[in-house]
Amino acid sequence: ETGVTQSPTHLIKTRGQQVTLRCSSQSGHNTVSWYQQALGQGPQFIFQYYREEENGRGNFPPRFSGLQFPNYSSELNVNALELDDSALYLCASSLLAGSSGANVLTFGAGSRLTVL
Amino acid sequence: AQKVTQAQTEISVVEKEDVTLDCVYETRDTTYYLFWYKQPPSGELVFLIRRNSFDEQNEISGRYSWNFQKSTSSFNFTITASQVVDSAVYFCALSPEIQGAQKLVFGQGTRLTINP
Repeated sequence: ETGVTQSPTHLIKTRGQQVTLRCSSQSGHNTVSWYQQALGQGPQFIFQYYREEENGRGNFPPRFSGLQFPNYSSELNVNALELDDSALYLCASSLLAGSSGANVLTFGAGSRLTVL
Repeated sequence: AQKVTQAQTEISVVEKEDVTLDCVYETRDTTYYLFWYKQPPSGELVFLIRRNSFDEQNEISGRYSWNFQKSTSSFNFTITASQVVDSAVYFCALSPEIQGAQKLVFGQGTRLTINP
């Protein structure tokens, strides 16, 4: 089975621009989440999607938005980029099923965004 | 609020030494999950273990072992007879016991270097 794939792997933007990052979930997974990992820090939860709707969000402003598609792939959009948005953005997927509690997440290798 | 503290920013040992990575957490929830993930240079987070707050049994998997002590809110990770391939950043994480929850609260990580 394929894992979580993300694109692009690296990109450079300038302050004020907009960026879209893409993620393909692991086969069979129906829930996706996004994390921001600044250099030298642990990942921070941005939001998660299930059945194409956002159903959980961390402490990030509205200029961070997302989409989940019927095939469970996902996009993360960031508007009005700021220098502090420079980070590794990680996508994770899991299967929401039954009452298994907190899911084990499968992570992609991330998209490294540099904002100049 | 939930919080995870990994006080050891960096650890460096010689191959075959045993090494313990510390993790202390804070939560007001009575039920929760604890995780350890490994992040090699390639970037993706690799799942190592998930532990429910009701299960305080220690676990051993090959050279890896985990010591969960609810009384001290700690979930430490020990690598026995370390190998160069164990070099990575290791993250401890905490999640609420909510079905389908993908929100993990991560510590800042411990960079482990195993020298030959």
